[in-house]
Order: sequence, then structure tokens, then C-alpha cells
Amino acid sequence: DTEVTQTPKHLVMGMTNKKSLKCEQHMGHRAMYWYKQKAKKPPELMFVYSYEKLSINESVPSRFSPECPNSSLLNLHLHALQPEDSALYLCASSHDGQGANIQYFGAGTRLSVL
Amino acid sequence: EDQVTQSPEALRLQEGESSSLNCSYTVSGLRGLFWYRQDPGKGPEFLFTLYSAGEEKEKERLKATLTKKESFLHITAPKPEDSATYLCAVQAAAGNTGKLIFGQGTTLQVKP
Repeated sequence: DTEVTQTPKHLVMGMTNKKSLKCEQHMGHRAMYWYKQKAKKPPELMFVYSYEKLSINESVPSRFSPECPNSSLLNLHLHALQPEDSALYLCASSHDGQGANIQYFGAGTRLSVL
Repeated sequence: EDQVTQSPEALRLQEGESSSLNCSYTVSGLRGLFWYRQDPGKGPEFLFTLYSAGEEKEKERLKATLTKKESFLHITAPKPEDSATYLCAVQAAAGNTGKLIFGQGTTLQVKP
């Protein structure tokens, strides 16, 4: 089973709201990723967690706050977002954050910021 | 700078009309090259990993090949259900971070 589960599937929020995206995997993977994907563009890496520690932050604005409570869960906390943050947010996991490990992606959360 | 370029940007085929998608890459030491398929509104679905020049992998109507500068995804006798965006990504050896560098993708449409 190579399933990565993301919730919710769709989210609409105002610019003053606080919301969270959730991601879960049960493959025993020790690396988890957040990507942002705009229409007709490839995924852009935002954060990487390796062994529950943040290893990469691709200069993402502080209104996005990642959290990795344990090796199976990954959250992305959202606060004071802008309309340009509307996108498909993808979570992925891999064996670990090193080497040529296959990244398995979830179905994504479609976020709309009004 | 590490870079991935895919061509063509869009490809329209008739059902049964074989073709190839190209992925050219420049990377400071290739750790792995990955092909994904992405349907609209869905997450990328893993297809293949290639590690060294000369390597080939097949799955149903798809075959991926790798040279030192590029990879091809050959589609033999495609069906309408093969319509999707195909993404190529590379992982560089430097830094050992697992970071994927994606190309812009090729959107394939197969007409019955």
C-alpha cells in the first residue's frame, strides 16, 4: 500500500481565518513533504521533514507553518493567507529524506482564499 | 544550476498512435530520475525511477529510458485513458536532501 491521505479535499477560507491541512501515511516512511501546485505548473517544494525534524524550508512565508507531530502525520497550519496562496497543496512521503527514494503523493487539498 | 526541461508542452495523439515524450536535464550528479503521471485535480502518481544511463523500465504501454542528458517516455499504442500530464523530476546527488526538481510537464491527450 502506497497511500498518502490528505484532508480536507477542499478548503475555502478568508484572509483572516486560521485553518490546518492534514496528511497521514502508514508506510513507515521517515520523510514527509509539502508542495504547492498552481494550475498548469509543476509542484513546488515548500517543506521537508526528515525523522520528524524540519530539514528544508524553501523560504516559505511565515503564514504557512508546518508541524510533524510524529512520523506518520504532517500538518500545515495556515494563517492570514492571501488570495495568491490559492492552489493545490500536496503532501508526499518517502522512505527517508536521503538518497533517490520514491516520493508518493496524496490527492491534495484544493485551497481557495477569498 | 540544476534544471529539467520537458518537451513538447502538449501532445495530441490518435488512439493507437505511438509517440515519445522528452525530458532533458542538467544536474550536478544524478541520484535518480522520476516519471509521474498526474490527472487533473489529483496528486502525481509514481510511474518509474531510473538511476543510470542505459537503464530502461516498462509498464503496460509505457517505457522509460535514460541517457546521460535526457530521458524518454515512450507510449506505445496509447488509449484515451492514457490522457494526463506526465511530469519528469530529477534528484541531485549534491546535498542529499531528497529534493525533486520538476520539469514543466507534458500534457497528453489521446483521442479515440
